[in-house]
Amino acid sequence: SQTIHQWPATLVQPVGSPLSLECTVEGTSNPNLYWYRQAAGRGLQLLFYSVGIGQISSEVPQNLSASRPQDRQFILSSKKLLLSDSGFYLCAWSIGGYGYEQYFGPGTRLTVT
Amino acid sequence: KNQVEQSPQSLIILEGKNCTLQCNYTVSPFSNLRWYKQDTGRGPVSLTIMTFSENTKSNGRYTATLDADTKQSSLHITASQLSDSASYICVVSLGGATNKLIFGTGTLLAVQP
Repeated sequence: SQTIHQWPATLVQPVGSPLSLECTVEGTSNPNLYWYRQAAGRGLQLLFYSVGIGQISSEVPQNLSASRPQDRQFILSSKKLLLSDSGFYLCAWSIGGYGYEQYFGPGTRLTVT
Repeated sequence: KNQVEQSPQSLIILEGKNCTLQCNYTVSPFSNLRWYKQDTGRGPVSLTIMTFSENTKSNGRYTATLDADTKQSSLHITASQLSDSASYICVVSLGGATNKLIFGTGTLLAVQP
C-alpha cells in the first residue's frame, strides 16, 4: 500500500531564516506530487506540483521554491521566511493529473515569529 | 472567478443526529466534485468523488449529492458519531487542460455527546 510522509510535523522559525520541508511517498512509482498551504480560515492553496524528477510547476509567485531530487521525494524550501509564510503545509500525491484522486500527507505546521 | 463556497461555516450537533452541509460552486469547466474530511492538524481524507453525470454517492454514513444544473452539492451525515467532528471540505476539479482543484474553506462540524 502507498504511504506518504512529511517532516517535521511542527516547526517554529524566525523571520528571515531558511526553510526546508520534506515529503516522501512509498509504494508507488512516478507519482504526481503537490505542495499546498492552508492558512487559517482559508481553503487549501496549491503552491507547486511536479509530474516527474526535476519537473516543477509553480502556481503562485512567492518566496518559496520546490525541488524533486528523486522520484518519490518532494522538498519545499525558502531562503528567507516571511511572517505570511506561516500556515499548515500539506504534501499530496496522485497517480495521474489533477483530475485523479489526491492523497494527502499528515502536514507540517509552520509558525514564523 | 472560480469559487467554491460552503455553508454553514461551523455547526454543532448532538451525537446520533443527522446533518447536511452545503456547497455552491462557480467553476468552469467542471470535471468532478469531491468531499474531504479533515481532522484537526491532519491532512484531508477523501470521502466521495462525483462526476458530472452522478447525482448521488454514498460512503457509509456519508451521502453526497450533486446538482450540476444549479451547481450545488450537499453532504449528508447520518447518525453522527463523536469521531465525525472535523472540517468537511468541498473541492471542485476543473476540467480541460489545467484540471486544477478549487477548495472551499470547509465546514467545521462538532459532534457533542
